[in-house]
Order: sequence, then C-alpha cells, then structure tokens
Amino acid sequence: EVQLVESGGGLVQPGGSLRLSCAASGFPFSSYWMHWVRQAPGKGLVWVSHIIRDLISTTYADSVKGRFTISRDNAKNTLYLQMNNLRAEDTAVYYCVRGMYYMDVWGQGTTVTVSS
Amino acid sequence: QSALTQPRSVSGSPGQSVTISCTGTSSDVGGYNYVSWYQHHPGKAPKIMIYDVSKRPSGVPDRFSGSKSGNTASLTISGLQAEDEADYFCSSYAGSNTWVFGGGTKLTVL
Repeated sequence: EVQLVESGGGLVQPGGSLRLSCAASGFPFSSYWMHWVRQAPGKGLVWVSHIIRDLISTTYADSVKGRFTISRDNAKNTLYLQMNNLRAEDTAVYYCVRGMYYMDVWGQGTTVTVSS
Repeated sequence: QSALTQPRSVSGSPGQSVTISCTGTSSDVGGYNYVSWYQHHPGKAPKIMIYDVSKRPSGVPDRFSGSKSGNTASLTISGLQAEDEADYFCSSYAGSNTWVFGGGTKLTVL
C-alpha cells in the first residue's frame, strides 16, 4: 500500500524551530518528486515547498523562503521540512505529498501550532 | 504566488450537476495544462480527482470532469451524490517548479 506518514508537529513558541518528517512506503521513493502543502485553520491549501528526485533542486513559497528547508533521505525513504524562525501564521496542518505536476498521494498531515 | 480564485461555495440537489470555476493568470492556469483538482473531507487526506486539466485517476467516477478555457479551469460534477459533499481545491503549476492552489470551494448537496 502506498503510504505517507508525517510526524514531528507540535506546539512551538514564535521564533522557534521544528523539523517535520514524512515516512514513505509502498513505492520507489527516490523516483518521485515530493512536496509539503499546508492548511491553516479555516483556510485553503497552500503549497509550501518542493524537492526533485535527486536533491539538487528545491523550491519554496515566498512566505517561507529563507526560513524553511526541505530535504530528503532516499536511503531512509524519508522527506523532511526544517522550519526555523516560526511565526503565528505558520500555524497549520502540514501535508507530505507525492507528485510531479500534480499531487497524487497525500499523507494525513501533522499539526504545527505556533503560539506563546 | 497569488492564490487561484474559486467561489467560496456551491450547492446542488442529488442528481443535479454543479460546476466549480478556478481562475488564475497566464502565468499559471493559462500557461500550462497542469491544472488539478482535489476533494477534501475535513480531517482526512485530500484526494486527487482530476489532473492535467481533464484526466481522471483510476477509481474516480466519470461523473467528475475537468476543462479549461484561457485562464479559467472548471470542475463539473454530474449526477450529484451525498458523498460528493466536501471542499474542492484547484491547483496549477506556476512555472519554475512552483505551484499555486485555489482558496477552495465548499460543495453542499442539498
């Protein structure tokens, strides 16, 4: 079964850091582009970041550029999102997503709350 | 990276058809045939319903169809069923390995 399982969410103070992880299974992880997408409470989905198969190319939404870093460990079938200097507006459910030009497999999400 | 524009809500009775629009610009929707649509039941993982403007993944009923004209894409659901009630989001590739989503449309089946 193709599966993505996120972890690492939680409550963090403004200015703090968190690292999200996403364990992939059921498909050749190293062959796929991957994304992080988030949804703030009561809001829509927002694309956050993308990484291609071989780690060379990464892209970010303007709202997180310079603060978030996406990475992957193809040997461990795991995707990461390092989030630094967190702000209240980063509060959201973060989804790990497989896909190239469209996103065909989604995890259940992990919740990040930034609050003092 | 401005969000695509979707109506906040649409509604229809069982058996009817509804269409959800998704308006962008020539830099996203109008510039690429990489529009996709997602169904999202709160608390669950989003599910892809349409990709590449009009293609349906295996397992998605043919009641769901997609199209595009200029900078506006559309999702049409025919023969509405109660289980179709959900939030629907469009997304488009926006060039330079970036993507943009719409604000979402809440579909109510009356």
